Amino acid sequence: SQTIHQWPATLVQPVGSPLSLECTVEGTSNPNLYWYRQAAGRGLQLLFYSVGIGQISSEVPQNLSASRPQDRQFILSSKKLLLSDSGFYLCAWSVLEFSGNTIYFGEGSWLTVV
Amino acid sequence: GQSLEQPSEVTAVEGAIVQINCTYQTSGFYGLSWYQQHDGGAPTFLSYNALDGLEETGRFSSFLSRSDSYGYLLLQELQMKDSASYFCAVTNQAGTALIFGKGTTLSVSS
Repeated sequence: SQTIHQWPATLVQPVGSPLSLECTVEGTSNPNLYWYRQAAGRGLQLLFYSVGIGQISSEVPQNLSASRPQDRQFILSSKKLLLSDSGFYLCAWSVLEFSGNTIYFGEGSWLTVV
Repeated sequence: GQSLEQPSEVTAVEGAIVQINCTYQTSGFYGLSWYQQHDGGAPTFLSYNALDGLEETGRFSSFLSRSDSYGYLLLQELQMKDSASYFCAVTNQAGTALIFGKGTTLSVSS
C-alpha cells in the first residue's frame, strides 16, 4: 500500500531563517506531488505541484521554493522566512493520470515563524 | 482561473441531515471532489463526481450539476464525529492539481 511521510511535524523558526520541509511517498511510482499551505482557520492553498523529477509548477508567487530531486521526494524550502509563512503545510500525492480524482495528504507540518 | 464558493459555517444536531453547497467557476472541468478535515489533521477524500447526479457512500452523498456549476455534500444521520471542516475542490486548468474552496466548518451538537 502507498504511504506518505512528511517531516518535521512541528517547528518554530525565527524570521529570516531558512526552511526545509521534506516529503517522501512509498509504494507507488511516478506520482504527482503537491505542497499545500493552510493558514490558521483558512482554506487549502496550492503552493507547488510536480508531475515528474525536476518539474515544478508554482501556483502562488512567494519566497518559497520546491524541488523534486528524486521520483518520490518533494522538498519545500525558503531562504528567509517571513512571519506570514506561518501555517500548516501539507504534502500530498496522486497518481500520474490524475484527472481530478483522489489526492492523498501527509500528516502535515506546523510551522510557526516568530 | 478556478474559484469555489461554499458557506463558512454550518451547525446541526445529532441525527439531523445537513447539506453543504458548493458553486464553482473553472476554465477546465474534470469533476467536483469533497474532502473532510478534522481539527489538526490532514484532509481525507470523501467523494468525487465527474458526471451529473448523486453519488452515495454510506451516510454521505454528493451531487453534481455541471450545467449549474453546482454541487453539494449531503450528510445524513449526523454524529458528533462528523464535526469537521469540509472542502469542495476542482482541478486546475492543466488538470494536474486540485484547487480547494475555503471550507465549511460543520459543528454537530447533541
